[in-house]
Amino acid sequence: DAKTTQPPSMDCAEGRAANLPCNHSTISGNEYVYWYRQIHSQGPQYIIHGLKNNETNEMASLIITEDRKSSTLILPHATLRDTAVYYCIVRVARSNDYKLSFGAGTTVTVRA
Amino acid sequence: GAVVSQHPSWVICKSGTSVKIECRSLDFQATTMFWYRQFPKQSLMLMATSNEGSKATYEQGVEKDKFLINHASLTLSTLTVTSAHPEDSSFYICSARDPGSVGYTFGSGTRLTVV
Repeated sequence: DAKTTQPPSMDCAEGRAANLPCNHSTISGNEYVYWYRQIHSQGPQYIIHGLKNNETNEMASLIITEDRKSSTLILPHATLRDTAVYYCIVRVARSNDYKLSFGAGTTVTVRA
Repeated sequence: GAVVSQHPSWVICKSGTSVKIECRSLDFQATTMFWYRQFPKQSLMLMATSNEGSKATYEQGVEKDKFLINHASLTLSTLTVTSAHPEDSSFYICSARDPGSVGYTFGSGTRLTVV
């Protein structure tokens, strides 16, 4: 199973873009990269996922390097409500189960 | 979008008693649900995979007789913490995958405190 490496914490200014890196150098060809976030004392929230192409939705953009060994989640205009722990996850498949394994994540603090 | 409802959101129980936590998929059917546990300042740890109509699959180190999982219908999975002790105090979270949606949907979690 591919593991991910993220910086433990990151500060960013309100209104600026937040770029969250993730390393997944052992990812295999059929594994997706998922990003979730967890605001304090809540369940995780899905943000975005991708296989090899860059993706964008109303919450964020996901940039995956050509070799797929790393990716960056971009929050284009961070707000105070984006303060959360962000998890980069490589989806693991085992028979018909698709379980998500969470690493330590990056604690993002958006400051006014 | 897909919604997973978890109940109760918090519970306090006495040591030695059992507590049941419910996880419901509100607008989709889930043959598989997942149960996680999260201690303060730590990440989510997968406890078990709940399979509708069959036995749950437990992660290594998780006591199946202590954490009873029942997935009797396509919209409901329950986790019962039996003979709870203070060290079982934690944040329990369930999730499910809606086949018609991307990603996994998580419940809002249950804060269990055993006194």
